[in-house]
Amino acid sequence: GEDVEQSLFLSVREGDSSVINCTYTDSSSTYLYWYKQEPGAGLQLLTYIFSNMDMKQDQRLTVLLNKKDKHLSLRIADTQTGDSAIYFCAETSGSARQLTFGSGTQLTVLP
Amino acid sequence: DAEITQSPRHKITETGRQVTLACHQTWNHNNMFWYRQDLGHGLRLIHYSYGVQDTNKGEVSDGYSVSRSNTEDLPLTLESAASSQTSVYFCASSEAGVHEQFFGPGTRLTVL
Repeated sequence: GEDVEQSLFLSVREGDSSVINCTYTDSSSTYLYWYKQEPGAGLQLLTYIFSNMDMKQDQRLTVLLNKKDKHLSLRIADTQTGDSAIYFCAETSGSARQLTFGSGTQLTVLP
Repeated sequence: DAEITQSPRHKITETGRQVTLACHQTWNHNNMFWYRQDLGHGLRLIHYSYGVQDTNKGEVSDGYSVSRSNTEDLPLTLESAASSQTSVYFCASSEAGVHEQFFGPGTRLTVL
């Protein structure tokens, strides 16, 4: 099946930028998503990007997509302690309504 | 406000017992999904439904079943619980033709 991969852990200092990376294998991916999961809670959609876009910016969040390398990244500017969470990359393709998730990256923000 | 709820939030059961996890959404979404979350595996799709009377198997469906008798509910049943089914279970829903999924708060299931 199709695969989505992420590194498991990332630590940054408060105020620094965080960059969370994701690679995927499905060349027909149409939408790519970033979800955030806070402790003990479900997943919340942070942002998404359509496959014909290279970049999307939304306040402190910047999503970069390199379709050639099948690489997606999420940059969080001025990272705050409230950004500590697990971040999931996900993709969907064609007319499929299902999402394929990565394993999640645990972001820890240090004071 | 529309929402998606799961019950119970925590459940401890014994091997071999039948367990049903409830999922209820008030958005009137056609699409509903069940995932399990395990460390190192992210979320894996168990079953999904695109409407009333429609159910489909996902990546890890063995030992699980679902039924969709109305738009609001998609209960997940573990026919004979196994220790390998200890996990956190998430229900999600989405509108027809829209990919964004909304997630419930999760059910933590422990099978002893």
